[in-house]
Amino acid sequence: DIVMTQSPESLTVSLGGRATIICKSSQSILYTSNNKNYLSWYQQRPGQPPKLLIYWASVRESGVPDRFSGSGSGTDFALTINNLQAEDVAVYYCHQYYSTPETFGQGTRVDIK
Amino acid sequence: QLQVEESGSGLVRPSETLSLTCTVSGGSVSSDEYYWGWIRQSPGKGLEWIGSIYSSGHIYYNPSLKRRVTISVDTSKSQISLRMTSATAADTALYYCARHPSTKGWDVWGQGTTVTVSS
Repeated sequence: DIVMTQSPESLTVSLGGRATIICKSSQSILYTSNNKNYLSWYQQRPGQPPKLLIYWASVRESGVPDRFSGSGSGTDFALTINNLQAEDVAVYYCHQYYSTPETFGQGTRVDIK
Repeated sequence: QLQVEESGSGLVRPSETLSLTCTVSGGSVSSDEYYWGWIRQSPGKGLEWIGSIYSSGHIYYNPSLKRRVTISVDTSKSQISLRMTSATAADTALYYCARHPSTKGWDVWGQGTTVTVSS
């Protein structure tokens, strides 16, 4: 199984500040045939199902604010939230769909300072 | 607009079978562009992929659950079903049904249904 490791477990950021979440996979999730990383990011607010934010590691899902951005390739990835808003308080998960079993990171809780 | 709703046995006794249904409205469960799956979330364990079913009929299961899980689709009812035998307390979780386009991650989720395994 590909293990997805997120850090930090939680972070507190000032309103308008920047949050960066790191996700590392235990093996490369880059498909060399199409040069795509099979990595997505989700936001889960309390009492809600996860919401897809980013796929292919860096492509923003339709309707997702541009303050959310994804980067990285191979085994090292990051989700950055610029200009943090109150509605961004949530738990964020990375997810690999490169191979089965699909696996998720353990989650990173983002709070407002 | 596509809507996904999970339903099923909320309370299951240990060693019995857990049965859940996912009803999809406003879209097709048999499109080649997507596959469907079940994902669960327990308080201490985060998100766990259970398995996925493709329109081709291919089904993939998490090896950790494969012995006990069956996923099926009824296209006439637009439903995806999950059956898990020999339930234990470790299966207590919020169970989600979701859609996965071939080019993205899981883009449409139901609200989830809670299953508690207890005598």
